[in-house]
Amino acid sequence: DIQMTQFPSSLSASVGDRVTITCRASQDIRNDLVWYQQKPGKAPKRLIYAASSLQSGVSSRFSGSGSGTEFTLTISSLQPEDFTTYYCLQHNSYPRTFGQGTKLEIK
Amino acid sequence: QVHLQQRGAGLLKPSETLSLTCTFYGGPFSGYYWSWIRQSPGKGLEWVGEINHRGESKHNPSLRSRVTTSIDTSKNQFSLRLTSVTAADTAVYFCARLSPVGIGGWYSDDYWGQGTLVSVSS
Repeated sequence: DIQMTQFPSSLSASVGDRVTITCRASQDIRNDLVWYQQKPGKAPKRLIYAASSLQSGVSSRFSGSGSGTEFTLTISSLQPEDFTTYYCLQHNSYPRTFGQGTKLEIK
Repeated sequence: QVHLQQRGAGLLKPSETLSLTCTFYGGPFSGYYWSWIRQSPGKGLEWVGEINHRGESKHNPSLRSRVTTSIDTSKNQFSLRLTSVTAADTAVYFCARLSPVGIGGWYSDDYWGQGTLVSVSS
């Protein structure tokens, strides 16, 4: 199985800050990576696919980069609604695997 | 309006069988992968399995032979069955069109069901 190591597991930041979340794959997954945002009690919402493509309807303050084994999600200027949990997912091979999640909290 | 709607029992006893069904409304059903994901209380996301319109399925090996998925393209439905449940299977189960790539390599949009909390308790 491909292990997805996501860090940090939690992050404190302020409105307007720029933050970066990282996912590291245990083997090369090309760009088969998706980033999700999940709010409490809700289903996850896709933000980024193919490592760096912005999902339609998602704010451009979200961006993704990376390929191979190292990937990052950057939020350029945090808004109040961004303080929630984020996950990465690899869909390069089976079983699909998620990162452990990053909880973004207001400082 | 394009959406996924889930249904199924939310309270089970140990050793019983979990059974959930998801129906896709408002869009094409064939040509995509249909997935199940679960989330234990306060925990992260775990991929359970997926199936395509041909009935070809993949499952998480961690669930061994307990899990089966099925599909009914005439009703735009797919289903999950998990046998011999224990308390460790207590989770919110989501159905989703998870993969951003369809069977033919085309783009696949993101759809999720509303989630079903399945509790296993004696």
